[in-house]
Amino acid sequence: GAVVSQHPSWVICKSGTSVKIECRSLDFQATTMFWYRQFPKQSLMLMATSNEGSKATYEQGVEKDKFLINHASLTLSTLTVTSAHPEDSSFYICSARGTGGKGYTFGSGTRLTVV
Amino acid sequence: QKEVEQNSGPLSVPEGAIASLNCTYSDRGSQSFFWYRQYSGKSPELIMFIYSNGDKEDGRFTAQLNKASQYVSLLIRDSQPSDSATYLCAVSRGMNTGFQKLVFGTGTRLLVSP
Repeated sequence: GAVVSQHPSWVICKSGTSVKIECRSLDFQATTMFWYRQFPKQSLMLMATSNEGSKATYEQGVEKDKFLINHASLTLSTLTVTSAHPEDSSFYICSARGTGGKGYTFGSGTRLTVV
Repeated sequence: QKEVEQNSGPLSVPEGAIASLNCTYSDRGSQSFFWYRQYSGKSPELIMFIYSNGDKEDGRFTAQLNKASQYVSLLIRDSQPSDSATYLCAVSRGMNTGFQKLVFGTGTRLLVSP
């Protein structure tokens, strides 16, 4: 079945630094990538949606200059958290959708802790 | 009103019983409905999806959709302790750009006791 590889699985960074999270579709072409954030005991909140080769569409309240999304190829999308702060500590999950597909394949998630 | 609503639980059932999880949604234009299972600290995993009114069965799981009532449910038969997790209901909406995003409920925590 469809597999999305997400790295790193966890990361600890200092406040003010930037962190890049990668999601790769291993056996299908991810035409659309969704990026979610999940705080403890809360549900997944969509941050942004990106199509390959296009600028990402951000949800209301999500700072596009802080959460940089790149979807340069059909197999790779990245989320960069710039100038991270402790309040950015969360579980970040990507979800990919392929051409003509109705399913959404999730990555394994990245636990970000900003200290 | 939240777009997708679920009772947070926990829903406690004994092993072997039927667990019934419910979800309501507000957008009548919703087209597709998904149930995910999420273990603590892990990413959601798809259980099943449903598009048409009625029931859809897959092994021990049955999804039920009633678009008129804007209601979708998940039944788990012969519940096992390994089914203990948070169950997320998700709904997809059409978008002008032609792709659909998922909107998640807050999830229902299920506890199956041995």
